[in-house]
Amino acid sequence: GEDVEQSLFLSVREGDSSVINCTYTDSSSTYLYWYKQEPGAGLQLLTYIFSNMDMKQDQRLTVLLNKKDKHLSLRIADTQTGDSAIYFCAESGAGGSYIPTFGRGTSLIVHP
Amino acid sequence: GAGVSQSPSNKVTEKGKDVELRCDPISGHTALYWYRQSLGQGLEFLIYFQGNSAPDKSGLPSDRFSAERTGGSVSTLTIQRTQQEDSAVYLCASSLGLAGGLGVSEQFFGPGTRLTVL
Repeated sequence: GEDVEQSLFLSVREGDSSVINCTYTDSSSTYLYWYKQEPGAGLQLLTYIFSNMDMKQDQRLTVLLNKKDKHLSLRIADTQTGDSAIYFCAESGAGGSYIPTFGRGTSLIVHP
Repeated sequence: GAGVSQSPSNKVTEKGKDVELRCDPISGHTALYWYRQSLGQGLEFLIYFQGNSAPDKSGLPSDRFSAERTGGSVSTLTIQRTQQEDSAVYLCASSLGLAGGLGVSEQFFGPGTRLTVL
């Protein structure tokens, strides 16, 4: 299977919270990242978490890490139409490699 | 300051032709990465350059793909005898270095080159 897996689509109503989930396979992953890609643009780092943390909050973004289950989530509070984008989960450190491995991306669609 | 730039933004070519894609990283960034993004797929790692070290070519899908980085700055990804399955967006990223003992090193991505092979 894929090293990093995430669902492909998520649709939410403006103002609701969005939760994007990701699972990874290698427990030696050291850093876990969330990137955002807007149409026609490259990826932009939103936030990252070190593997010895279980939560990180930054304004409307909350990252939760369950290292036992190798599960990472990104919660966006008060989702806005400008949050519509593709969100990529990535990890680095697995197997001693610090080149990030990315998931396929989750397309977040925010509708009024 | 300037971010990562890539050229061309779009490239349409015929099957069998060679193409060159260019990446200008952020000045001072020692690490440079090439990825391929196909429709519905994640980012597929292709190649990684770090300073003067030998590049990590472990992600190159075939010997038709090659890349070089001149003077530790600009990089060129070359695809020879292009095939239709090479059609994708090719993304370049740069960073100050690698994560690990030095801490996380954010990758900065360019806008990509969309390659279409007819």
